[in-house]
Amino acid sequence: EIVLTQSPGTLSLSPGERATLSCRASQSVSSIYLAWYLQKPGQAPRLLIYGASSRATGIPDRFSGSGSGTDFTLTISRLEPEDFAVYYCQQYGSSPITFGQGTRLEIK
Amino acid sequence: EVQLVESGGGLVQPGRSLRLSCAASGLTFDDYAMHWVRQVPGKGLEWVSGISWNSGSIGYAASVKGRFTISRDNGKNSLYLQMNSLRAEDTALYYCAKARGVGGSGTYAHFDYWGQGTLVTVSS
Repeated sequence: EIVLTQSPGTLSLSPGERATLSCRASQSVSSIYLAWYLQKPGQAPRLLIYGASSRATGIPDRFSGSGSGTDFTLTISRLEPEDFAVYYCQQYGSSPITFGQGTRLEIK
Repeated sequence: EVQLVESGGGLVQPGRSLRLSCAASGLTFDDYAMHWVRQVPGKGLEWVSGISWNSGSIGYAASVKGRFTISRDNGKNSLYLQMNSLRAEDTALYYCAKARGVGGSGTYAHFDYWGQGTLVTVSS
């Protein structure tokens, strides 16, 4: 199975700053099959990005995804208060589907 | 508006069984693959199982294969997970999740709608 490793484990930033979250795969992942989710406390995950770089419906353009092969990045250009949460990457090109362990984005 | 509502969770002893249900509304249910994803409270996400729109493609995580069975009833807009031989490590919040995009398989998907989850606790 493909293991996804997210870094950093915790990222402390201030509103208005730029956030860069990393997801590294143990094997190559087709860029078509990499997604990012946001999860707030007490809520279900919410799809942000699929196909490595396509924004899901209703996701603001401050969220962008990039990468290929084994290295993928989620960038939030200017942090809003509602962006502080846990972020997960997911690969769905190889069975079984796997998720990264998450990056917690906290207010500095 | 798409809504997914899970039910059937609870406290169960090791070795016993439980059946989870997910009632879907606001979508043409039989157009989409559906999946179960679980999360130990405070921990990460783990894919459990998935089923294609017509039940022709089904997948399971290695950790549940042979113990869990996924099924769906398109006439009732419902998804199910039969969980047998439960273990303490199956304790988690179980989410029902809709695969994005029409069609789709039981093994490859990303998820655009999630329920709020139903908690399964396996303990003596």
